[in-house]
Amino acid sequence: DQQVKQNSPSLSVQEGRISILNCDYTNSMFDYFLWYKKYPAEGPTFLISISSIKDKNEDGRFTVFLNKSAKHLSLHIVPSQPGDSAVYFCAASDNGSSNTGKLIFGQGTTLQVKP
Amino acid sequence: DAGITQSPRHKVTETGTPVTLRCHQTENHRYMYWYRQDPGHGLRLIHYSYGVKDTDKGEVSDGYSVSRSKTEDFLLTLESATSSQTSVYFCAIGTIFYEQYFGPGTRLTVT
Repeated sequence: DQQVKQNSPSLSVQEGRISILNCDYTNSMFDYFLWYKKYPAEGPTFLISISSIKDKNEDGRFTVFLNKSAKHLSLHIVPSQPGDSAVYFCAASDNGSSNTGKLIFGQGTTLQVKP
Repeated sequence: DAGITQSPRHKVTETGTPVTLRCHQTENHRYMYWYRQDPGHGLRLIHYSYGVKDTDKGEVSDGYSVSRSKTEDFLLTLESATSSQTSVYFCAIGTIFYEQYFGPGTRLTVT
């Protein structure tokens, strides 16, 4: 039972354009959502997060949107740069109830930004 | 970067042999996690620890055990390695405030 799903395994965009990565979840108890970025042969690195009490969080070129009614979040990268080419994982936590800090990850989306 | 190291970084072992992977942190974080990454599955939690000698199972814990005798070290043991355990293993550390920080990973091949 996949509680966090990234239905697009890959995405290709042109440099300078917007990249939109999507993530769906099923557990209404999730109260915090995160995006991680992973380069080959490295560990994932934290990118941006959003609490369930918000619907948008912005950090430079990266913006995460949360639609709780649709159980959907998205990561927007504007403008996209070749260095953004990586695998992006969304993750969710229900720490408010479990108090363990556990994260549930999606399958990942490979982003390729073409020069 | 968070101070997390994993050892070994690469290992090839034979089916049926025991294997231990080590995660070491210098951040004094309470929470530590072991994940495996496989194509099409993303990152899946194997075991986690919420303090010294306090551990619990994740979603894919069968065939794995863990130990944490010191705050800084979290060991993952495959008691009898199988080919299905060929994967990339990541250790992560975290606080109660959700963000986790990952180590560089260990690529394990079971032949």
